[in-house]
Amino acid sequence: DQQVKQNSPSLSVQEGRISILNCDYTNSMFDYFLWYKKYPAEGPTFLISISSIKDKNEDGRFTVFLNKSAKHLSLHIVPSQPGDSAVYFCAASRNSGNTPLVFGKGTRLSVIA
Amino acid sequence: ETGVTQTPRHLVMGMTNKKSLKCEQHLGHNAMYWYKQSAKKPLELMFVYNFKEQTENNSVPSRFSPECPNSSHLFLHLHTLQPEDSALYLCASSFAPTGEETQYFGPGTRLLVL
Repeated sequence: DQQVKQNSPSLSVQEGRISILNCDYTNSMFDYFLWYKKYPAEGPTFLISISSIKDKNEDGRFTVFLNKSAKHLSLHIVPSQPGDSAVYFCAASRNSGNTPLVFGKGTRLSVIA
Repeated sequence: ETGVTQTPRHLVMGMTNKKSLKCEQHLGHNAMYWYKQSAKKPLELMFVYNFKEQTENNSVPSRFSPECPNSSHLFLHLHTLQPEDSALYLCASSFAPTGEETQYFGPGTRLLVL
């Protein structure tokens, strides 16, 4: 049973518009969430994270929103750029030490010029 | 120069071969990880080492054998693999896993088992 779900395998967005990537989780013990971006033939690179004590974290064009009651988080990219085209992975962990990250399957974002 | 390097980047091996994957991190981290990424599946954690001690073995078959001689180096020894083991193998490192650490990934080794 998948504890972290990214239900949209792909997303296409026009350049300059907002990209919204969604992630749902089932384990209420998760309290730290991360987004990774992956280009072909490269390993995932860390993008942004959020702790469960917050509901929003912003870093430049990237904002992550966390809705604990809905067990849902989303990544907003605005404005979207062609270089943002990649696979985005959502990951979650429990703040209890020595617990591994649990990843979603990823969403492939295509930003069209 | 990325903080986490992996060699080789690509590997083709037969089912009777023995090979090793190498990972090295230059970030001063204490923990290292092996992940497997198969097509259309989430990243699967295989092993975790914290201060050179294995702290997680995620029900990985014994044909995969990890080795962590120090906090900067991690190996994955492969023997008698199956075609279904073909995947991208990713190494990652972080500071000691407390629950809010960020893991940094290497570029991966693309493995094909014939």
